[in-house]
Amino acid sequence: QVQLQESGPGLVKPSQTLSLMCTVSGGSISRGGYYWSWIRQHPGKGLEWIGYIYYSGSTYYNPSLKSRVTISVDTSQNQFSLNLSSVTAADTAVYYCALQLWLGSWFDPWGQGTLVTVSS
Amino acid sequence: EIVMTQSPATLSVSPGESATLSCRASQSVGSNLAWYQQKPGQAPRLLIYGASTRATGIPARFSGGGSGTEFTLTISSLQSEDFAVYYCQQYNNWPRTFGQGTKLEIK
Repeated sequence: QVQLQESGPGLVKPSQTLSLMCTVSGGSISRGGYYWSWIRQHPGKGLEWIGYIYYSGSTYYNPSLKSRVTISVDTSQNQFSLNLSSVTAADTAVYYCALQLWLGSWFDPWGQGTLVTVSS
Repeated sequence: EIVMTQSPATLSVSPGESATLSCRASQSVGSNLAWYQQKPGQAPRLLIYGASTRATGIPARFSGGGSGTEFTLTISSLQSEDFAVYYCQQYNNWPRTFGQGTKLEIK
């Protein structure tokens, strides 16, 4: 079955860009109907959906983050990535990647998550 | 944006007893509601989708109900591994939104 694994720096300086990668295994990122999302969880807090990408490159972002978010896909590497610009301490969180089997479905499975701390 | 409100924030229950968790949506989401379980240091795990359908491998002691704006997750005969944080999530509207979670703790 599909598995996801996040990777990237665990520490980012304020005002810089946070960049994370999600590697998909056990299935093709180019499979029709699959939508690939990023979700984050602030320490000790709830969950916030960031945005999704389709293998074609089509994206949709949470309006609350839209001005700072870019999600891209590399089908040759079976990966998709998250860039979040102009980060502040408020962007410190565990970042998860997750799969939606179709656009109108729930999130399953999830990656294990990666903690990103924004600090100088 | 649809606001999901879970109650209570913390629920203390003894092993072997049942627990009922609530989730309310600020507007109707139909049956497009999922429940997740999260243990410390782990990613959320899908329990229920479609408000009442158990995900693959989820024990029958987990049951979901409701539609529209009011939903429940009931866990019967609580086992030690069930004590965790539970989140509801609507997938009827964009952006997708989650409740703030209910922590189920051992009494």
